[in-house]
Amino acid sequence: DSGVTQTPKHLITATGQRVTLRCSPRSGDLSVYWYQQSLDQGLQFLIQYYNGEERAKGNILERFSAQQFPDLHSELNLSSLELGDSALYFCASSPRSGGLDEQFFGPGTRLTVL
Amino acid sequence: AQKVTQAQTEISVVEKEDVTLDCVYETRDTTYYLFWYKQPPSGELVFLIRRNSFDEQNEISGRYSWNFQKSTSSFNFTITASQVVDSAVYFCALSEVKGSARQLTFGSGTQLTVLP
Repeated sequence: DSGVTQTPKHLITATGQRVTLRCSPRSGDLSVYWYQQSLDQGLQFLIQYYNGEERAKGNILERFSAQQFPDLHSELNLSSLELGDSALYFCASSPRSGGLDEQFFGPGTRLTVL
Repeated sequence: AQKVTQAQTEISVVEKEDVTLDCVYETRDTTYYLFWYKQPPSGELVFLIRRNSFDEQNEISGRYSWNFQKSTSSFNFTITASQVVDSAVYFCALSEVKGSARQLTFGSGTQLTVLP
């Protein structure tokens, strides 16, 4: 158990819908990262937040957005969902922002878009 | 742009065999970090090791060992006396600076199957 929690574990929805994925980092970690893992794209970095502020952006679509709240939990919002958004979405956390630390991953949320 | 290549898509070995997973990376940075993660069938990603670009010493942890060679931009992972529980997808990852932050780029992974 990494100490990172993600809810829900599974999510099934339809095209065009909007969903919210939630992540709670390890106690004491200030950075939260979101990743998407799909069969065709592999494991891709989406976005990073550090202590409530966006710190780095990767291959995140404009239909996707995220935020980190004062209690440090984070939410990833996916809207206007398409079939290709079906994937495993991971959240990870680390103590600092500099990328020197290993990132600890949550169990993931498996999103299925029908 | 940084890049991580894991050329071995799938490897299958029989229990107790040694197996090496290859990782080759590309980066322009002089300071960077390399990682290995394991993804067992249950799906979670488990951190195995972190190595910075200034430390080329090989590392051993039980049955696991890592060979970092800056000259060939490789960070290979060897499992000695493999066990069925080692069956998983293994990812190599590179962290380098992008703006004010670091971004982790993963390789495509190597599916290791250890047969009894």
